[in-house]
Amino acid sequence: DGGITQSPKYLFRKEGQNVTLSCEQNLNHDAMYWYRQDPGQGLRLIYYSQIVNDFQKGDIAEGYSVSREKKESFPLTVTSAQKNPTAFYLCASSISGQSINTQYFGPGTRLTVL
Amino acid sequence: ILNVEQSPQSLHVQEGDSTNFTCSFPSSNFYALHWYRWETAKSPEALFVMTLNGDEKKKGRISATLNTKEGYSYLYIKGSQPEDSATYLCAFYNTDKLIFGTGTRLQVFP
Repeated sequence: DGGITQSPKYLFRKEGQNVTLSCEQNLNHDAMYWYRQDPGQGLRLIYYSQIVNDFQKGDIAEGYSVSREKKESFPLTVTSAQKNPTAFYLCASSISGQSINTQYFGPGTRLTVL
Repeated sequence: ILNVEQSPQSLHVQEGDSTNFTCSFPSSNFYALHWYRWETAKSPEALFVMTLNGDEKKKGRISATLNTKEGYSYLYIKGSQPEDSATYLCAFYNTDKLIFGTGTRLQVFP
């Protein structure tokens, strides 16, 4: 089955620890995205990548880092510098970054920092 | 800062009612407007991608219109069913990324 997987579904971490969220797609899409959702807010873009070995900051990149070493994988690291990391994180991909391309979303990871 | 606004924030309707909600976006430098449906415990799914002023798209009982000159899009659901209960998101394409609204949460009661 083609799709996007994110793991784990739920993640708990202690304050001050870095944590890496996984995102894998087998759709052969060039572009991948990380969004964050908080109650009462729209999806906000953290980082995006339009091609392997390249990525750009989104609107709320501070305290996060990413890598894009393989086309199918776009892991997100939430560092201890992120002041309020508890949130729901969604990964998405699209054929390319063009305006008409639909984004396909994973099931999300809910991160809770204790 | 570009803003995408959706109204109403939430909506409760009876099964069989028709309903509509609005997405407002900047009217300059328009490329595309996306609509997604996000059911609880599932991933957001694409409904429509709209690119031309006056565009109308339809998928079953759901349809959408687009006015790029005044910066709004309407989503209509005819004869709402309980399975239409979801959050409906619109997203404005700006330069190289989507900017999402906060969504309209629709609940359809049997």
